[in-house]
Amino acid sequence: DGGITQSPKYLFRKEGQNVTLSCEQNLNHDAMYWYRQDPGQGLRLIYYSQIVNDFQKGDIAEGYSVSREKKESFPLTVTSAQKNPTAFYLCASSARIGTVGDEQYFGPGTRLTVT
Amino acid sequence: GNSVTQMEGPVTLSEEAFLTINCTYTATGYPSLFWYVQYPGEGLQLLLKATKADDKGSNKGFEATYRKETTSFHLEKGSVQVSDSAVYFCALPNFGNEKLTFGTGTRLTIIP
Repeated sequence: DGGITQSPKYLFRKEGQNVTLSCEQNLNHDAMYWYRQDPGQGLRLIYYSQIVNDFQKGDIAEGYSVSREKKESFPLTVTSAQKNPTAFYLCASSARIGTVGDEQYFGPGTRLTVT
Repeated sequence: GNSVTQMEGPVTLSEEAFLTINCTYTATGYPSLFWYVQYPGEGLQLLLKATKADDKGSNKGFEATYRKETTSFHLEKGSVQVSDSAVYFCALPNFGNEKLTFGTGTRLTIIP
């Protein structure tokens, strides 16, 4: 079955440590996205990538970094510079950026808790 | 830039009640409009979409009509079920269709 996988589902880290969240898709999609979701709020875009080896900052990129070395993979690193890293992180993909009506497909999410 | 305003929740209804969740937008041109649903502990799933004015999107008994006169895309269902309990998000792309902007979400709880 095609889809997006995120691992792990739950992640716990100590303050001051960097942590990398995995996102893999087998939909052959060009575009991938990372969102952050906090209780009672909508989704906020962290980073997105249209093609391999290229990515753009979203609305809340500070304290985060990404890479896109392969089409199917878009890992997100939450660095120690992120002041409030505890949140639910969602990865998504779409066939191609710029296509009218193109929907995004979401992974199951990773819940990160930093203490 | 494009933005969306969504009815705040939470919303609690009895089974078989009629549902409306309001969504209005501000946009350049006539972008596609989306409703996504998020069940507890999961990612988002596309519920329905409309790609041009006056289009009606529908799925699983839910409907929404793209109304450019009122810049709205309200979600409706004639008879809700307990299994419809979830958080619903209205969304639209930016002008270049590079990314989606989501509303704050409306938590719906259906009681038997």
